[in-house]
Amino acid sequence: EAQVTQNPRYLITVTGKKLTVTCSQNMNHEYMSWYRQDPGLGLRQIYYSMNVEVTDKGDVPEGYKVSRKEKRNFPLILESPSPNQTSLYFCASSLSAGIIPTDTQYFGPGTRLTVL
Amino acid sequence: SQQGEEDPQALSIQEGENATMNCSYKTSINNLQWYRQNSGRGLVHLILIRSNEREKHSGRLRVTLDTSKKSSSLLITASRAADTASYFCATDAYSGAGSYQLTFGKGTKLSVIP
Repeated sequence: EAQVTQNPRYLITVTGKKLTVTCSQNMNHEYMSWYRQDPGLGLRQIYYSMNVEVTDKGDVPEGYKVSRKEKRNFPLILESPSPNQTSLYFCASSLSAGIIPTDTQYFGPGTRLTVL
Repeated sequence: SQQGEEDPQALSIQEGENATMNCSYKTSINNLQWYRQNSGRGLVHLILIRSNEREKHSGRLRVTLDTSKKSSSLLITASRAADTASYFCATDAYSGAGSYQLTFGKGTKLSVIP
């Protein structure tokens, strides 16, 4: 089944404790991205990647890191999480790898992160 | 920065009625997409309309695009309780250095009352 998977789905952690949220897609998509969703603010893009070893900042990259060593995986790393990073996180992928990566986005189920 | 903005923020209708949501954006686009999100879940793609198209249909969904007004509308006909969800428009925007970024609006929360 074509899908985007994220792990963990729920995570409660404490300030400063490094964490990684994994994202994997099995559709051979070239474009992958991370979003955070907060009440009243909608979806905001954190980072995106147009291909392996190519990553770019989105609208809210501060406090996050990503890597794209393989096409299928795009982990989101919080080196030192803070309470303002409490949010619902979504990974997404799409086929298009051209300059305009605006094909249909396939979203993962989300990761609800709470930083105490 | 967010390119698209949906209107209204919330909409409540009776089952069987039509629901119309609007999306306005600021800069020229290549295409515009609509997504649906059930509470707390991932977004699901509904329809994509390209900048050279004016109208597109998919089942009970009808999307229009007016590039001169920089706006789009999503019409759901004969709504059902199962259509209750949040609906987002997404537009591509040039982010510099030869790359484009897909940005989402804040969404319209639709409630369909049985």
